[in-house]
Amino acid sequence: DIQMTQSPSSLSASVGDGVTITCRASQSISRSLNWYQQKPGKAPKLLIYAASSLQSGVPSRFSGSGSGTDFVLTIRSLQPEDVAAYYCQQSYSAPVTFGQGTKVEIK
Amino acid sequence: QLQLQESGPGLVKPSETLSLTCSVSGGSISDSTYFWGWIRQPPGKGLEWIGSIYYSGRIHYNPSLRSRVTISVDTSKSQFSLKVTSVTAADTAVYFCARLPGAAAGRIDHWGQGTLVTVSS
Repeated sequence: DIQMTQSPSSLSASVGDGVTITCRASQSISRSLNWYQQKPGKAPKLLIYAASSLQSGVPSRFSGSGSGTDFVLTIRSLQPEDVAAYYCQQSYSAPVTFGQGTKVEIK
Repeated sequence: QLQLQESGPGLVKPSETLSLTCSVSGGSISDSTYFWGWIRQPPGKGLEWIGSIYYSGRIHYNPSLRSRVTISVDTSKSQFSLKVTSVTAADTAVYFCARLPGAAAGRIDHWGQGTLVTVSS
């Protein structure tokens, strides 16, 4: 199975700050990397697919980059509604695997 | 608008079988573009893909659960189902049903709200 490692596991930032979350795959996954946002008690929501494509309806302050083994999710200007856990997921090969998650809080 | 709704018992005894159904509305379960899948999340933990099924019945399972899991589809009812046998406390989780466009092990673009299943005597 392909292992996905996210960092940091949690972070705290001020409203308006830029935030970056990294995700590393245990082997090359090309650009088969997706990002999800999960608010407490809710289902995850797809933010970014294929490393950098913005899912319909997702605010443009979210962006993704990377290829191969290293990927980044960026929130350009953190908003209070962005408080959530964020997960990366590789869709390069079965079984689908997820990172362990990054919790984002407001300072 | 597509809606996915999980249903089934919220409490299952150890060693018994967990059974859940996902009802699909606002879209066709027979749409050839999509796979339909199950993902679970133990309380306070991360996400684990269980498996995905195509409307034709083609199935992909997570090898870590393969020996205990069965996923099936009933296109006449617009439903797909999950069974997990010989459950233990480690199977306690929120179970989500979901839609996967284009690939059994692809991205997940729609999720059900999730249902908590607790394994306890």
